[in-house]
Amino acid sequence: GAVVSQHPSRVICKSGTSVKIECRSLDFQATTMFWYRQFPKQSLMLMATSNEGSKATYEQGVEKDKFLINHASLTLSTLTVTSAHPEDSSFYICSAHLIGPRIKTQYFGPGTRLLVL
Amino acid sequence: KQEVTQIPAALSVPEGENLVLNCSFTDSAIYNLQWFRQDPGKGLTSLLLIQSSQREQTSGRLNASLDKSSGRSTLYIAASQPGDSATYLCAMDSSYKLIFGSGTRLLVRP
Repeated sequence: GAVVSQHPSRVICKSGTSVKIECRSLDFQATTMFWYRQFPKQSLMLMATSNEGSKATYEQGVEKDKFLINHASLTLSTLTVTSAHPEDSSFYICSAHLIGPRIKTQYFGPGTRLLVL
Repeated sequence: KQEVTQIPAALSVPEGENLVLNCSFTDSAIYNLQWFRQDPGKGLTSLLLIQSSQREQTSGRLNASLDKSSGRSTLYIAASQPGDSATYLCAMDSSYKLIFGSGTRLLVRP
């Protein structure tokens, strides 16, 4: 099946620093990737839709200048949390959109746990 | 506003029981409905995907149904095992976005 990887799997950083998270589709090309955020014991909330070669589409309430998304190739999207603060600590999950002849679905990465001290 | 609701929020059952997890959604114009499993601190594992033209999907001990008219889906787990303990999420696919429910935390006691 389609595989999506994320790197790093977990990161601890100091408040005020920036953190970059990579999302890769390993065996298929994805023109669209999605970034989600999950707080403890809560569900996934869509942050933004990442489109290859164009600007990301952000959900309401998500600061585009804080969460920078770059989708430079058909297999890689990056999320950079700029000037991270403790309230940004969360589980970030990406997914890649696979469109087949009969179906479309998203394949999810294993997630990145961010802890901002 | 598109919303997905899951009931119950948590469930604890003895091993061997058959159980049903419920999911309701507000948008009848869905593309498909997916059920996922999430283990603590991990990503999502897709269990079953039901396209809007389908009524149910089966995989092993799992069976998921979809009723678009009533805005409901159920996940049936037969002969539950301790290894089934996890959080189960349903997600509605509408307009190229997945909208997730808050999940049902399942504990199967040995």
